[in-house]
Amino acid sequence: EDKVVQSPLSLVVHEGDTVTLNCSYEVTNFRSLLWYKQEKKAPTFLFMLTSSGIEKKSGRLSSILDKKELFSILNITATQTGDSAVYLCAVPTSGTYKYIFGTGTRLKVLA
Amino acid sequence: EAQVTQNPRYLITVTGKKLTVTCSQNMNHEYMSWYRQDPGLGLRQIYYSMNVEVTDKGDVPEGYKVSRKEKRNFPLILESPSPNQTSLYFCASSDHSGGATDTQYFGPGTRLTVL
Repeated sequence: EDKVVQSPLSLVVHEGDTVTLNCSYEVTNFRSLLWYKQEKKAPTFLFMLTSSGIEKKSGRLSSILDKKELFSILNITATQTGDSAVYLCAVPTSGTYKYIFGTGTRLKVLA
Repeated sequence: EAQVTQNPRYLITVTGKKLTVTCSQNMNHEYMSWYRQDPGLGLRQIYYSMNVEVTDKGDVPEGYKVSRKEKRNFPLILESPSPNQTSLYFCASSDHSGGATDTQYFGPGTRLTVL
């Protein structure tokens, strides 16, 4: 059965800390893995990863995919209170446009 | 402004009273989808549509109907709502033309309560 598992479920850090969020997946015919940020509203797109070992970067956020070990990590450096959100990982299932989302990691950054 | 809109944003209804949640996008996207989000369960896909008149079931389609008569609209219909359909609903769209991208753009959400 296709699945996406995120860890940790929640995380509390102080401003300036660096955090690493994990997303592991099991899906046949892997195509892509997506990261979203969800504050008190709709998810917003962060990264799409398709190739192993290539880091995607946007400011203090970066993400990398390991297709051999079937996981991705999302790193946030020098965290700010505005980074407080739920971070979601999603994978399309094999050969379709059905998407499976992980349950998310709730990040809280304290001032 | 490129966006996905949903209406209503909040709805309280009673068991068995048919309702429709509308979704519209102005980005000329082929792909549209509905999700529900529940605490501890994350986002689960209800239905999706690859293009006009093409729809398919997601993981939790029971109790829902959809239609895609126009490219920009993808309404979600609950023929006989039940309390277990109380949830936060999101519509999303994506440009899949040319096999391009899985990136989805989400609407603002509809919070539905069924009493």
